[in-house]
Amino acid sequence: AQTVTQSQPEMSVQEAETVTLSCTYDTSESDYYLFWYKQPPSRQMILVIRQEAYKQQNATENRFSVNFQKAAKSFSLKISDSQLGDAAMYFCALLIGNEKLTFGTGTRLTIIP
Amino acid sequence: NAGVMQNPRHLVRRRGQEARLRCSPMKGHSHVYWYRQLPEEGLKFMVYLQKENIIDESGMPKERFSAEFPKEGPSILRIQQVVRGDSAAYFCASSPIGQGYGYTFGSGTRLTVV
Repeated sequence: AQTVTQSQPEMSVQEAETVTLSCTYDTSESDYYLFWYKQPPSRQMILVIRQEAYKQQNATENRFSVNFQKAAKSFSLKISDSQLGDAAMYFCALLIGNEKLTFGTGTRLTIIP
Repeated sequence: NAGVMQNPRHLVRRRGQEARLRCSPMKGHSHVYWYRQLPEEGLKFMVYLQKENIIDESGMPKERFSAEFPKEGPSILRIQQVVRGDSAAYFCASSPIGQGYGYTFGSGTRLTVV
C-alpha cells in the first residue's frame, strides 16, 4: 500500500516571498505520478502541478515548481512570489496506474500581507 | 466544455434519512471516483467506478453506503439511514482512462446530518 506524508500542518509566508511545502511518499512501484492540489475556502480541488516519476526534470508551472527526489521519495512544492490568492490548503497526492489517488493530510498556507 | 458537475452543493438530512449525491463526469471521461473529506482532514478514497462496473470499493463502509455509475446518467453515491458521523464533504472526480493526468474534481457536496 502507498502512503503520502505532509509533515507541515500549517505554513505562513510574507507576500512576494518564497515558500516550500514538503511531501514524502512511499511506494514499491517505479512508475507513478505525483500531484499537488490546492483547495481554497471555496472547497474546489484545483490541480497545481503534475510530475511523472520517469522524468528527471522537475515540473514547473509559472510561479509553482517542484523538487522531485525519486530516490528519497520526496516531492516538495515551491511557490515563488507568493500572492494573497495562494492562501489555501495544499495536498500532495500519488497516483499509480489508473488507480485511486492517495492524498496527504494537507498543509494550510497563510499569506501575510 | 463543462467540468465535473456535482449536485446538490449542500444537502441537509435528518438522522435516519437517505442521502443521494450525484456526479456527472467530464465529457470523454469514463472513470469516476468518490472521495470523502472530513473537517480539517485530507480526502479519503471511497470507490472507483466505470460505466456499469464497480472497479474498487475498498474505501466504502461495509454498510449503508452504495455507489453506481449506470450506462446512462450520472454516478450516484447513496447513503442510507444517515448518522451524524456521515457529515462531510463528498467529492467526485473523473479521469480519462490510463492517462495519468490526474483527476478533475467537482466542487463537492457538503452533507450535514442533523
